[in-house]
Amino acid sequence: QKEVEQDPGPLSVPEGAIVSLNCTYSNSAFQYFMWYRQYSRKGPELLMYTYSSGNKEDGRFTAQVDKSSKYISLFIRDSQPSDSATYLCAKSPFLQGAQKLVFGQGTRLTINP
Amino acid sequence: NAGVTQTPKFQVLKTGQSMTLQCAQDMNHEYMSWYRQDPGMGLRLIHYSVGAGITDQGEVPNGYNVSRSTTEDFPLRLLSAAPSQTSVYFCASSYSGGRGYGYTFGSGTRLTVV
Repeated sequence: QKEVEQDPGPLSVPEGAIVSLNCTYSNSAFQYFMWYRQYSRKGPELLMYTYSSGNKEDGRFTAQVDKSSKYISLFIRDSQPSDSATYLCAKSPFLQGAQKLVFGQGTRLTINP
Repeated sequence: NAGVTQTPKFQVLKTGQSMTLQCAQDMNHEYMSWYRQDPGMGLRLIHYSVGAGITDQGEVPNGYNVSRSTTEDFPLRLLSAAPSQTSVYFCASSYSGGRGYGYTFGSGTRLTVV
């Protein structure tokens, strides 16, 4: 079993829809949970991170962690065609340092105008 | 400020050949890492470094060597290329603790081994 499981999609939604992206994880020792966005033929870029359970909001994006069910979610409100990308969830025992990131498989998202 | 620069962007190798993937960062980040990305597998950690002269293995280190002689550079060497090493390789750098966080990935090297 992979430590971070993510539905690879692809997921296609109309512009303006609310998008829900989800991951599950299996090792509770990891405490920081992150979402990366990766455009085609580009490197991943950090979108948001959360620590412990609860919600974190940044503009149209909300990251949610439910430690009791080991579930990580990213919600995108008022989705735009520019949000079309692959979204990767990741976990880490540290906030600093990319050396221990464990990634999910990534979900390919397309927002249709 | 160029961030993380990876060269080359594309490479085709024959089985058994060796090569070095270059990675350089100009942000004075202490930590640097190499990941490979394969379809359906996400990104997997190959090797990482927490400072000049210090490296360690990640999840999939076999067939790869690294060294870190300077803060800026972290090359990845393929000793004897195999078709299983066909992948997209990403270098990443980040701060160590106490100065905030920063995860910066390069734009990747697409490697095909035939």
